Amino acid sequence: GAVVSQHPSRVICKSGTSVKIECRSLDFQATTMFWYRQFPKQSLMLMATSNEGSKATYEQGVEKDKFLINHASLTLSTLTVTSAHPEDSSFYICSASPRGLRTLRSDTQYFGPGTRLTVL
Amino acid sequence: KNQVEQSPQSLIILEGKNCTLQCNYTVSPFSNLRWYKQDTGRGPVSLTIMTFSENTKSNGRYTATLDADTKQSSLHITASQLSDSASYICVVITSGTYKYIFGTGTRLKVLA
Repeated sequence: GAVVSQHPSRVICKSGTSVKIECRSLDFQATTMFWYRQFPKQSLMLMATSNEGSKATYEQGVEKDKFLINHASLTLSTLTVTSAHPEDSSFYICSASPRGLRTLRSDTQYFGPGTRLTVL
Repeated sequence: KNQVEQSPQSLIILEGKNCTLQCNYTVSPFSNLRWYKQDTGRGPVSLTIMTFSENTKSNGRYTATLDADTKQSSLHITASQLSDSASYICVVITSGTYKYIFGTGTRLKVLA
């Protein structure tokens, strides 16, 4: 149990275009979903936290108009990188925390496999 | 400021050898500490979870220790395999808000 998927796994786009990344909790409902960014040889950096049905909370320095997050349901969150530029090229990882289940810890984030974004 | 530091930054060992990775933290309030393995181009996968009262926890060839007094943790890998080549990330979770504080990671390479 506790599987999180991301789609696509890799995406290459031209500068100026927008890219949408999906994050799904496959076998549990997620109270909260998180979006991280990871540059080569660095650890994960939290970008934003989203709760179903409410606006995302962005970390300091993350442009909310550039990185649009929609947490439309308890199993799906999307990250849209708008007007992408080469400096947005990175590895994006989502995670999800389960909603009050006896079999899963609510203090645990279950991580997706990540999405490699390359902006040309 | 909540911080998690790991050492060494990178490590190369021969297959079959043991190694120990270190994690020092200054995080408050403390809930639990976790070690994750992250293969290149993949998301992190949990190895161990340790609470304040636990000193040692094992998961196969991985053994984690925690000293809550000195705020140090270690991850010991026994009889390393080529598939152990990955980044190992120490994460400390705060109580109440369950915020994840990530360490800088240790990149391990196991050579044949």
